[in-house]
Amino acid sequence: DSGVTQTPKHLITATGQRVTLRCSPRSGDLSVYWYQQSLDQGLQFLIQYYNGEERAKGNILERFSAQQFPDLHSELNLSSLELGDSALYFCASSPQGGLAKNIQYFGAGTRLSVL
Amino acid sequence: GESVGLHLPTLSVQEGDNSIINCAYSNSASDYFIWYKQESGKGPQFIIDIRSNMDKRQGQRVTVLLNKTVKHLSLQIAATQPGDSAVYFCAENHNDYKLSFGAGTTVTVRA
Repeated sequence: DSGVTQTPKHLITATGQRVTLRCSPRSGDLSVYWYQQSLDQGLQFLIQYYNGEERAKGNILERFSAQQFPDLHSELNLSSLELGDSALYFCASSPQGGLAKNIQYFGAGTRLSVL
Repeated sequence: GESVGLHLPTLSVQEGDNSIINCAYSNSASDYFIWYKQESGKGPQFIIDIRSNMDKRQGQRVTVLLNKTVKHLSLQIAATQPGDSAVYFCAENHNDYKLSFGAGTTVTVRA
């Protein structure tokens, strides 16, 4: 168990809908990262938050947004869903958020199916 | 595109043998590397990391080798066990916040 908790484990929804994925980082970790894993793209970095502030953006679509709350949990919001958004979404956390090299610990993921 | 890649998408190994998983990276500025293991239905699990000022690091039954000259990384698993069956990813960081992942190698252990 990595200590990173993601809910829900599975999500089935229809095109055009909006969903929210939730992540609780390991105790004490200030950074939260979101990744998307699809069969054809592998693991792709979406966005990082550090202590409530957005720190870095990757290949995140404008239809997607995220935030980190004062208690350090994070939510990833996906809207106007398309079939191609079906994927595994992982959250990871690490103690630091700067350029220091540190291990990211991953949650078990949320499997999103858009029908 | 991805700066990190693996040589082979699949590896079949006999139980008890040693496994070697390879990874090539293209960014010579990369200075931190991590190997992750992902079992079916689970998230990536940290195995071992190495910084660019090292060429070898050992853990429990695993060894990571880094050859900066040819930009090559490998993960060696000693005495491979059935529980080692998984997808293995190398990931790279170079003064950035994110990890860049390779495509993964699926390791299957034969009994």
